[in-house]
Amino acid sequence: RKEVEQDPGPFNVPEGATVAFNCTYSNSASQSFFWYRQDCRKEPKLLMSVYSSGNEDGRFTAQLNRASQYISLLIRDSKLSDSATYLCVVNNNNDMRFGAGTRLTVKP
Amino acid sequence: DAGVIQSPRHEVTEMGQEVTLRCKPISGHNSLFWYRQTMMRGLELLIYFNNNVPIDDSGMPEDRFSAKMPNASFSTLKIQPSEPRDSAVYFCASSFSGPGLEQFFGPGTRLTVL
Repeated sequence: RKEVEQDPGPFNVPEGATVAFNCTYSNSASQSFFWYRQDCRKEPKLLMSVYSSGNEDGRFTAQLNRASQYISLLIRDSKLSDSATYLCVVNNNNDMRFGAGTRLTVKP
Repeated sequence: DAGVIQSPRHEVTEMGQEVTLRCKPISGHNSLFWYRQTMMRGLELLIYFNNNVPIDDSGMPEDRFSAKMPNASFSTLKIQPSEPRDSAVYFCASSFSGPGLEQFFGPGTRLTVL
């Protein structure tokens, strides 16, 4: 079993749709969690950290469920510019593990 | 402000040749990471340095790979001899005080080994 697992997608949604991604991790001792975004042929960039109480940044909401060992990312009112691959990242004792990513395409 | 700088951006070489990838981290960052990304395996951490000292190199595939960080502003990843299966995008990233904080990635080096 991979340490960090994501549905690779692709998710194809129309503009304005709400879309959610989940990510599961295997190490229950993991300490911090992040979502990164990677555009085609570009480097990954931090989208947001994920806090235990859940956190929101504009149209983006991240949730953490430690009991079930999963992280989620919700994108509301999706824009064409949200089209990218979203990488789930889990940190355990300074060992960062990246998921393979979920590809999102937002269509007009 | 300059981000993480990597060179070259693209490298095409023949099997058996030595390849050297270079990275300049963001000034003031004291942690530096080398990653490899392929379609099959995704993004994999190869090695990371803290204050120029290698902390974890368990991700380095084999002895053909070596990495150095002679000072706080420069690191190299060397592959000798290169093989076709080394073809990938190699990213360098840096952060302030460890991998648990936001990592800033360079644009990557796309390596093709023929």
